[in-house]
Amino acid sequence: GAGVSQSPRYKVAKRGQDVALRCDPISGHVSLFWYQQALGQGPEFLTYFQNEAQLDKSGLPSDRFFAERPEGSVSTLKIQRTQQEDSAVYLCASTRDRGKEKLFFGSGTQLSVL
Amino acid sequence: GENVEQHPSTLSVQEGDSAVIKCTYSDSASNYFPWYKQELGKRPQLIIDIRSNVGEKKDQRIAVTLNKTAKHFSLHITETQPEDSAVYFCAARAGGTSYGKLTFGQGTILTVHP
Repeated sequence: GAGVSQSPRYKVAKRGQDVALRCDPISGHVSLFWYQQALGQGPEFLTYFQNEAQLDKSGLPSDRFFAERPEGSVSTLKIQRTQQEDSAVYLCASTRDRGKEKLFFGSGTQLSVL
Repeated sequence: GENVEQHPSTLSVQEGDSAVIKCTYSDSASNYFPWYKQELGKRPQLIIDIRSNVGEKKDQRIAVTLNKTAKHFSLHITETQPEDSAVYFCAARAGGTSYGKLTFGQGTILTVHP
């Protein structure tokens, strides 16, 4: 595709529900990143994949957050037992390889936990 | 870890005036500094970036300057236009971390009045 694609665009969940957010990176991009953007704030790093390997998950806020990229392309961010503080926009970004620094973001998934 | 401070939080200018947004960072090993523009409800878009071995970079009406000694960098927009109105984020990548793992500032809401 032409850009990073994320789905769903909007997600409303009741507190305690599990959610799964999908990211399709730009074709051929090796590295994939997840960021969380709370209302009125800058994005905050969650986790990073190079191909299927999760090389850095230092930004995941709790063990309720889990990300995977089993075949090195599509990635899923899963949040278990959602809480109100999880409400945010979740952005996915990809880069061509480790040597390319420009991040191309998707449009994000806006998660609202009621 | 890296900490990025951004000022001002809001900036209002008249069309045709210049706008300047400033950021400071804490990690002297940081080596890459991108700027993103985010319109309401849309993805962050990279508008300009600079590496630590360069002091200034310009692209048409946009320029970025970097002072490594003082650990600050600035975005300059000249001849502002109403379509420049958006939220602008600075970011820094600390040395030794994975490419794309950025620390963002808190954002500046720029409003350009016709």
